[in-house]
Amino acid sequence: GAGVSQSPSNKVTEKGKDVELRCDPISGHTALYWYRQSLGQGLEFLIYFQGNSAPDKSGLPSDRFSAERTGGSVSTLTIQRTQQEDSAVYLCASSLVGGSSTGELFFGEGSRLTVL
Amino acid sequence: GQQVMQIPQYQHVQEGEDFTTYCNSSTTLSNIQWYKQRPGGHPVFLIQLVKSGEVKKQKRLTFQFGEAKKNSSLHITATQTTDVGTYFCAGPVGTSGTYKYIFGTGTRLKVLA
Repeated sequence: GAGVSQSPSNKVTEKGKDVELRCDPISGHTALYWYRQSLGQGLEFLIYFQGNSAPDKSGLPSDRFSAERTGGSVSTLTIQRTQQEDSAVYLCASSLVGGSSTGELFFGEGSRLTVL
Repeated sequence: GQQVMQIPQYQHVQEGEDFTTYCNSSTTLSNIQWYKQRPGGHPVFLIQLVKSGEVKKQKRLTFQFGEAKKNSSLHITATQTTDVGTYFCAGPVGTSGTYKYIFGTGTRLKVLA
């Protein structure tokens, strides 16, 4: 597709279960971001991948959160032992280049996670 | 840590009134971006400002980057119901070679017809 694709669009899970959220960025985009947005709140930075560099994981809220990006393309955000406070929309964004002047970030539609 | 704050958090205006949101960074930014998020949607890029004191216009929207490159504003003239949404600024924070875009807290605009 032409845009950033995220799946699943909706995920309901029970507390304590693990979840995986997937992001397929725009082809050729080297930079990929994950953000978290709780209801009515702003965008909380989670993790940033830029090319082959080590990812910036400084925004991950706990060691239950991890992410990888395979082959410089698709990324998976994994949340282990989910808690109710993990409920939010997880947004993925990609841009053509990274660094201090990355140009436009293109966002996916997000994955809405509900932890019961 | 480096923060990007926006004021006001919420703004309700009558259709036809003007609206302004302000973005303030704790550090100097090399550039600043603005995004709009419609209710239930995802953020969509509006514009990027790079130069100190830069002013850019898009129809009824005027964007400004401060002289010190630590603050920015978005002004909408004669708001319309289609302007409803949350407006975010975003700036690159980090050290040389390691930058990431951090978003401001956002301003939610409601336009009353």
